[in-house]
Amino acid sequence: DGGITQSPKYLFRKEGQNVTLSCEQNLNHDAMYWYRQDPGQGLRLIYYSQIVNDFQKGDIAEGYSVSREKKESFPLTVTSAQKNPTAFYLCASSTRTGDNEKLFFGSGTQLSVL
Amino acid sequence: GQNIDQPTEMTATEGAIVQINCTYQTSGFNGLFWYQQHAGEAPTFLSYNVLDGLEEKGRFSSFLSRSKGYSYLLLKELQMKDSASYLCAVRDRTAGNKLTFGGGTRVLV
Repeated sequence: DGGITQSPKYLFRKEGQNVTLSCEQNLNHDAMYWYRQDPGQGLRLIYYSQIVNDFQKGDIAEGYSVSREKKESFPLTVTSAQKNPTAFYLCASSTRTGDNEKLFFGSGTQLSVL
Repeated sequence: GQNIDQPTEMTATEGAIVQINCTYQTSGFNGLFWYQQHAGEAPTFLSYNVLDGLEEKGRFSSFLSRSKGYSYLLLKELQMKDSASYLCAVRDRTAGNKLTFGGGTRVLV
């Protein structure tokens, strides 16, 4: 079955530590996205990539980094510069053709600070 | 930038109808999406509107008025499983066609 896989489901970060969240898709989608969701709030865009080896900052990119070396993979690193990393992180992908391209989401990673 | 507003929470009983409003301000409107999200899970696509009017899909319908910057999601014959957050998202062609999400409306059945 095609879909988006995020791992791990739960992740804990110590002070000063970098952590990486995995996102893999086998939908053959060109575009991939990372969103952050805080309790009771909507999704905010961190980074997005429209094509391999290219990505752009979203609305809240500070303290995060990404790479897009393969079409299927778009890992997100939460760096020690991100002072308030506790949140639910969602990865999504979409095709690039047509304006009605909807996002397909992974099941999310809950990141907490120890 | 964009500004998307929707109510924080709504409560309704089984079998009832609930209407979730979404207002937006955007310079390059290019489509509006509704997603359903159960707690701790991924959002799932419900509907898409780009032209004015009503789109119906079973118990769910979505309406759009571009001139008013307004949309609503109508949930009919509410069931317990409809208890979830409903996210309104707007695509803006002047912002690289990115989707910007509202804060979500939590519906309690």
